[in-house]
Amino acid sequence: KQEVTQIPAALSVPEGENLVLNCSFTDSAIYNLQWFRQDPGKGLTSLLLIQSSQREQTSGRLNASLDKSSGRSTLYIAASQPGDSATYLCAVSRNTGKLIFGQGTTLQVKP
Amino acid sequence: DADVTQTPRNRITKTGKRIMLECSQTKGHDRMYWYRQDPGLGLRLIYYSFDVKDINKGEISDGYSVSRQAQAKFSLSLESAIPNQTALYFCATSDSGRASTDTQYFGPGTRLTVL
Repeated sequence: KQEVTQIPAALSVPEGENLVLNCSFTDSAIYNLQWFRQDPGKGLTSLLLIQSSQREQTSGRLNASLDKSSGRSTLYIAASQPGDSATYLCAVSRNTGKLIFGQGTTLQVKP
Repeated sequence: DADVTQTPRNRITKTGKRIMLECSQTKGHDRMYWYRQDPGLGLRLIYYSFDVKDINKGEISDGYSVSRQAQAKFSLSLESAIPNQTALYFCATSDSGRASTDTQYFGPGTRLTVL
């Protein structure tokens, strides 16, 4: 059974710092991996999707990497801003489209 | 207008009542999903549908049923609500087309409280 773990559960950093969020999964037979952002009381917004054949994806200040063999993904946020404060979720899927989510990392960026 | 909408956004009900949560999408996607989110447990898949005639149980389908009335509409029902069904419910959609990455797009959520 696929299990997804995100460490740390919470993180607080000063504005401007570069940071890394971690995601690990137990079954390397994945179709893709997605990183989402969730603001309090709101839905999920897809940030980046990495196909199983890819190693990384970039969007603006965000860079996500994938190492299938070790069952790990990282989300790198450069030059963090207070507006980046949110919960970040990673999720993996097999080829059925069903997502298995981690429990999320809640990020606070202090001005 | 939002691409994926959910109604109602908030609902408080009593144990034993029948509840329907509705989801509509204008993205033209064929795949739709229902998840619930509980503190400390993340999101878990309840049901998913790959087209109007294809409906499948997810990880935690007991106590729930669904209806795919059209490609754009996917409803979740709680036939007899119980307090441990208190949660935040999300609908999501994705496109299975050849050029698609199968990215899932989420609605704003429905906060359901069962007393």
